[in-house]
Parts: sequence; C-alpha cells; structure tokens
Amino acid sequence: GAVVSQHPSRVICKSGTSVKIECRSLDFQATTMFWYRQFPKKSLMLMATSNEGSKATYEQGVEKDKFLINHASLTLSTLTVTSAHPEDSSFYICSATERRGGIDEQYFGPGTRLTVT
Amino acid sequence: AQTVTQSQPEMSVQEAETVTLSCTYDTSESDYYLFWYKQPPSRQMILVIRQEAYKQQNATENRFSVNFQKAAKSFSLKISDSQLGDAAMYFCAYRRSSGGSNYKLTFGKGTLLTVNP
Repeated sequence: GAVVSQHPSRVICKSGTSVKIECRSLDFQATTMFWYRQFPKKSLMLMATSNEGSKATYEQGVEKDKFLINHASLTLSTLTVTSAHPEDSSFYICSATERRGGIDEQYFGPGTRLTVT
Repeated sequence: AQTVTQSQPEMSVQEAETVTLSCTYDTSESDYYLFWYKQPPSRQMILVIRQEAYKQQNATENRFSVNFQKAAKSFSLKISDSQLGDAAMYFCAYRRSSGGSNYKLTFGKGTLLTVNP
C-alpha cells in the first residue's frame, strides 16, 4: 500500500530558531499534499494544501510567513516553522493524495512532534 | 461550509461486544465521500472505512460497518466483536468528490473509544 513518511518524528528546538519537517510519498507520486496540526486530544486542523510546483494554499488564520511550505517534487513537501515559539509546539501531520481506481485516496504520515523550548 | 459533528467525546465497550459511534454532517453537495479514520496511541491515522454518497449500500470492512443515512446526513460506525486493539480515537471525515485531489478532508472532533477486557 501507499506509504507516507515524515522526518523527523520528534524535534526539539530553541525559541527563535527554525525547523524543517519533511513529508515524502515513498511509493507513489503525490500531486497534492496537506499539512495538519493536532493539539493533544483534539482533531486535526488543516493548515495548508500544497501542490507540486505552485504556492501552497493556506487556511484562514494560518500565517504563511511563519509556516513556509515547499512542494518541489511529486514526492516531497516540506514545512518550515520559522522563528519558532513555545506556542508552536504541537503534533504536525502531513498527508499525500494518490489517484487510485478513480478515487483520490489520502494517505497520512506518522506525524512529527515539535517541542519549542 | 461543510461541518462534521461527533456528539460522543468518549465511548467504552466490553471486549467482544458491539459499539456504534455517531457522526452527522452538513453539506449542500449531492456527491461526496465520508470516512472513518482511527488514530491509535501511535497517532498514525488509519483509514477504517469509506462511503461514497451515491452508493446506497452501506460499506463494510470485516468487523466495521457503517449506517449511512443520506437524507438524515448521518454516518455511524459500528464495530462488532470489539477487540483491545480497537481502542483509539475515531474521526469521522467528509470530502467533496468532484474536482480532483485538492479537496480537503473536514474532520469531526473525534470519539475516544476505550475497550474494556
């Protein structure tokens, strides 16, 4: 089945620094990837939709200059949290879409836990 | 805008028993997909079952089945012969069906299922 990986799985960074999270589709090409944020015991909140070769579409209230998304290839999207602060600490999940049998299936990565100290 | 409502923040079931998780949604679309995702403690999102709105027949996947009532905009998940491994957060989700891969998932707030031995 389709596999989506995320790297790193856990990261701790100091306040004011930037951190990059990678999302890769390992065995399929994904024209669209999504980035979510999840707080403890809460639902997934969509941050942005990322299309290969074009600018990401951000959801209302998500700062595009703080959460930089790049989708340079059909298998890789990156989320960079710039000038991170403790309130950015969260669980970040990506998903990638593959068209299979006429249906756009969305596969999720295992998530990245970001802690900003 | 589409909304998904899960009215049961927590549910519990005895091992080997049956439990039903509720989900209602609101949409003006006639064609769409509905999903149930499972998120165990590992936090990996796992697709449990998918229902296409144009299909009248309820989807089933082994011990998991849905009761899809399109007119009532209801989409409940029934888990039969519950197992300890079924313990997880369950999310109901909606997605439009037309227009390609850009269409995002709208998630409910989730139901935390506990399975008692």
